[in-house]
Amino acid sequence: DIQMTQSPSTLSASVGDRVTITCRASQSVSLWLAWYQQKPGTAPKLLIHKASTLESGVPSRFSGSGSGTEFTLTISSLQPDDFATYYCQQYSSFSLYTFGQGTKLEIK
Amino acid sequence: QVQLVESGGDVVQPGRSLRLSCEASGFTFSNHVMTWVRQAPGKGLEWVAIISYDGSYEYYGDSVKGRFTISRDNSRNTLYLQLNSLRAEDTGVYYCARAGEPWTAIAAAPDWGQGTLVTVSS
Repeated sequence: DIQMTQSPSTLSASVGDRVTITCRASQSVSLWLAWYQQKPGTAPKLLIHKASTLESGVPSRFSGSGSGTEFTLTISSLQPDDFATYYCQQYSSFSLYTFGQGTKLEIK
Repeated sequence: QVQLVESGGDVVQPGRSLRLSCEASGFTFSNHVMTWVRQAPGKGLEWVAIISYDGSYEYYGDSVKGRFTISRDNSRNTLYLQLNSLRAEDTGVYYCARAGEPWTAIAAAPDWGQGTLVTVSS
């Protein structure tokens, strides 16, 4: 099974900060990596797929990079609406998708 | 636009069964792989099951294998999840989600339902 490990688990930052969240896979997932944002009481929202492709309607301050086993999600200038929990997910194998454990982005 | 509406969540005793439904609209349901994802209270997302666009393939997460069954009725645009031998640790919100590309499971999920709550408690 492919394990996904996110770091950090919690991140405290201020409006305007640049933040980066890392996701590591236990084996290569090529580019088949997505990032989701989730706010309390709501369904996850897809931000980025195929490691770096921004979903339609997602602000350009979000960006993704990486391939193989190491990936990053960067928010270039945090806005108040960005404080949420972020999850990576690999979808390289039909038989098993896996989520990271999540990174909670908090206001400092 | 794409709409996914889950139903069937309830409070049930350990060992009992439940069937969840997900009614889809706004896209050609029979062309898309569908998944179930769950979230225990205060915890992260856990992938539960996936089914091919035609129902010919299905896979499960280790924690539900042998107890849960995913199925679909393409004539009714509906996805199902049969939950048997329920345990307290199955408690959570269950979401259905659509693979963003037709015909393939190698796709992220741009569309999710609002979720349905399953509580397993005596």
